[in-house]
Amino acid sequence: GQQLNQSPQSMFIQEGEDVSMNCTSSSIFNTWLWYKQDPGEGPVLLIALYKAGELTSNGRLTAQFGITRKDSFLNISASIPSDVGIYFCAGQLRGSGGSNYKLTFGKGTLLTVNP
Amino acid sequence: DTGVSQNPRHKITKRGQNVTFRCDPISEHNRLYWYRQTLGQGPEFLTYFQNEAQLEKSRLLSDRFSAERPKGSFSTLEIQRTEQGDSAMYLCASSEFAGSNEQFFGPGTRLTVL
Repeated sequence: GQQLNQSPQSMFIQEGEDVSMNCTSSSIFNTWLWYKQDPGEGPVLLIALYKAGELTSNGRLTAQFGITRKDSFLNISASIPSDVGIYFCAGQLRGSGGSNYKLTFGKGTLLTVNP
Repeated sequence: DTGVSQNPRHKITKRGQNVTFRCDPISEHNRLYWYRQTLGQGPEFLTYFQNEAQLEKSRLLSDRFSAERPKGSFSTLEIQRTEQGDSAMYLCASSEFAGSNEQFFGPGTRLTVL
């Protein structure tokens, strides 16, 4: 099935550094979501974005909905060891009809934080 | 805990056997989704319910797969005649009918087919 292009695939950073990752699609979405997944667990919702150009923060996390509606960005500031995990972007085309509610995911960005 | 729950968390089975997984969504959520995740990949959509109605099925959902949500509450996903390629994490998510439709995931069921 279709997947979004998410980069980078992995990052290895020092505690305290800032992190940026992004996600691009060949088709538009009208909702972008960012999830974090720990090994053996389900994804946990971090941030949801609903409008092109929207910039939303959740603590040290900031995400943006690209103006073209085909991309999104996630920044983590002042990383800490518990930020370790896999970060997934997901796009959704909400609207009438069943097919518009499914999420299309990227392949994830593996983040490792060195204390 | 009022989040999405899934049982069992792990299932090991032999090829050819049937398996069934259960998902209990967040109680006020009308929509329920099943996804499959293989190693190194993001979750991929399988099927979606609004109340008891199954509104969409992915082409990934072969005829060996069946999902039900008989009373619009919990859901089951059954895989018949399992194959080694069915080994994956099966994730369930739920969302409200109206509003933001943000999907909240359960912990998943890890299936290993020997």
